[in-house]
Amino acid sequence: KAGVTQTPRYLIKTRGQQVTLSCSPISGHRSVSWYQQTPGQGLQFLFEYFSETQRNKGNFPGRFSGRQFSNSRSEMNVSTLELGDSALYLCASSLAVVRGGELFFGEGSRLTVL
Amino acid sequence: KNEVEQSPQNLTAQEGEFITINCSYSVGISALHWLQQHPGGGIVSLFMLSSGKKKHGRLIATINIQEKHSSLHITASHPRDSAVYICAVVRPGGAGTASKLTFGTGTRLQVTL
Repeated sequence: KAGVTQTPRYLIKTRGQQVTLSCSPISGHRSVSWYQQTPGQGLQFLFEYFSETQRNKGNFPGRFSGRQFSNSRSEMNVSTLELGDSALYLCASSLAVVRGGELFFGEGSRLTVL
Repeated sequence: KNEVEQSPQNLTAQEGEFITINCSYSVGISALHWLQQHPGGGIVSLFMLSSGKKKHGRLIATINIQEKHSSLHITASHPRDSAVYICAVVRPGGAGTASKLTFGTGTRLQVTL
């Protein structure tokens, strides 16, 4: 069974640009959640999608957005990049986060903003 | 004060030692995850528990819901156990919304020969 796949693994952008990251969950998983990890703030929840609907959102500005497609693949987008957006972005898939479903993480997309 | 506190922040042990990592939380939860993150970033879920105790190989996780506390134990530690261990709690969502994870700051474990 294939694991969670995130693309791209590494990318470099400049301030003001936008970026789109992709996450393909484990087959059969309908929940995809996104997380940002930085040395200063640690791991923080961004948002969760279930069956193409955003179910929950963390405390991030509107520049951070996402969506989920009918095949459960998810994308997240960050517009007007700032230096502080440099981070490891992780996604996790689950049968459902509700009631604490087991999480399966991808390897992450490491974003550097110059 | 963070909603999820882990201790210790850093831990160095010799191979074979018994290790305990603690996680305390201040909010109501529906479940708690223990995660392992190796250098390079990939995260592996070790345990998800909502009560009692779970064991997998040399790893044991316990949770006390009344005391809002969980522990991760590693018996007969090995250098390959060197990683960051992260506790994450599942906070139940309200009506119509899903639950979400809140993370501890992690415990960096180094096991030496």
